[in-house]
Amino acid sequence: EAQVTQNPRYLITVTGKKLTVTCSQNMNHEYMSWYRQDPGLGLRQIYYSMNVEVTDKGDVPEGYKVSRKEKRNFPLILESPSPNQTSLYFCASSWDRTYYNEQFFGPGTRLTVL
Amino acid sequence: DAKTTQPPSMDCAEGRAANLPCNHSTISGNEYVYWYRQIHSQGPQYIIHGLKNNETNEMASLIITEDRKSSTLILPHATLRDTAVYYCIVRVAKAAGNKLTFGGGTRVLVKP
Repeated sequence: EAQVTQNPRYLITVTGKKLTVTCSQNMNHEYMSWYRQDPGLGLRQIYYSMNVEVTDKGDVPEGYKVSRKEKRNFPLILESPSPNQTSLYFCASSWDRTYYNEQFFGPGTRLTVL
Repeated sequence: DAKTTQPPSMDCAEGRAANLPCNHSTISGNEYVYWYRQIHSQGPQYIIHGLKNNETNEMASLIITEDRKSSTLILPHATLRDTAVYYCIVRVAKAAGNKLTFGGGTRVLVKP
């Protein structure tokens, strides 16, 4: 089944404790992206990647890191999480530039930073 | 990206067609209309898109007016599982920046 998977789905952590949220897609998509969703603020892009080893900042990259060493994986790293990073996070992917607007989303990761 | 306007909410009876309107009066010639939906706290789901011709797939139909200033997403036989927030987005197909920006959307409640 074609899908985008994220792990963990739920995470409660404490301020400053490094964490990684994994994202993997099995559709051989070139483009991948991370979004966060907060009440009243909608969906905001954190980082995106157009292909292996090609990443760029979205609208809200502060406090996050990403890497794209393999085409299928695009982990989101929080080196020193803070409470304002408490949010619902989504990973998304799509084929290539022609299909950037037809994105497949993962199920989401609900992160709470205490 | 052109701005879109959608009603904040609407109810629909199960088994009936749901017609979701979207206004995009400032749409430019190379911008497509995309529809997504988000079931509570799940990842957004792509539904359909079109440029000027009407489109249909297994999920829905998209009707775009001749002047392209508005469109309607039609769910032909709404089920309880179609309860979700529906987003209309207008973008060029090969935008250099590929982030999706969802507006307020229409909260659709399908009732038995």
